[in-house]
Amino acid sequence: GAVVSQHPSRVICKSGTSVKIECRSLDFQATTMFWYRQFPKQSLMLMATSNEGSKATYEQGVEKDKFLINHASLTLSTLTVTSAHPEDSSFYICSASLRASGANVLTFGAGSRLTVL
Amino acid sequence: AQTVTQSQPEMSVQEAETVTLSCTYDTSESNYYLFWYKQPPSRQMILVIRQEAYKQQNATENRFSVNFQKAAKSFSLKISDSQLGDTAMYFCAFMKPDLRGGNEKLTFGTGTRLTIIP
Repeated sequence: GAVVSQHPSRVICKSGTSVKIECRSLDFQATTMFWYRQFPKQSLMLMATSNEGSKATYEQGVEKDKFLINHASLTLSTLTVTSAHPEDSSFYICSASLRASGANVLTFGAGSRLTVL
Repeated sequence: AQTVTQSQPEMSVQEAETVTLSCTYDTSESNYYLFWYKQPPSRQMILVIRQEAYKQQNATENRFSVNFQKAAKSFSLKISDSQLGDTAMYFCAFMKPDLRGGNEKLTFGTGTRLTIIP
């Protein structure tokens, strides 16, 4: 089945530094990937939609200069948290779109836990 | 905009019993997809079951089945013969199809934490 690999699974960084999270579709091409943020005991909130070869579409309230998204190939999207601060600490999850039986099924990565000190 | 409501923040049930998780949604669309995702302690999101709105027949996947009431905008998940491995957060989700393909977004409910008691 479709597999999405997300790396790193955990990252700890100092305030003010930048962190990059990778999302790869391993056995299929994903023209669209999605990035979500999940706070403890809360639901997944869509941050942005990443389309291969074009600029990402950000949801309202998400700072595009803060959360840089690059989708350079059909199998890789990256999320860079720039000048990270403690309030950016969260669980970030990516998903990739795979057509199946007429409905897009989203396959999720295992998530990345970011802790900003 | 679509909204998804899960009114049960937490539920618990004895192993082998049946449990039903509720979900309601609001949309003006006539064609859409509904999903139940499971998030165990590992935090990996796992698709449990999906339903196409144009299909009247309720979807079933082994021990998991849904009760889809389109007019009432209700989409409940029934887990039969519950197992310890079913312990997880369960999210109901709505997807509006994108005719161009590839930009379908999922709108999630707030989740129900289900605990299966041995």
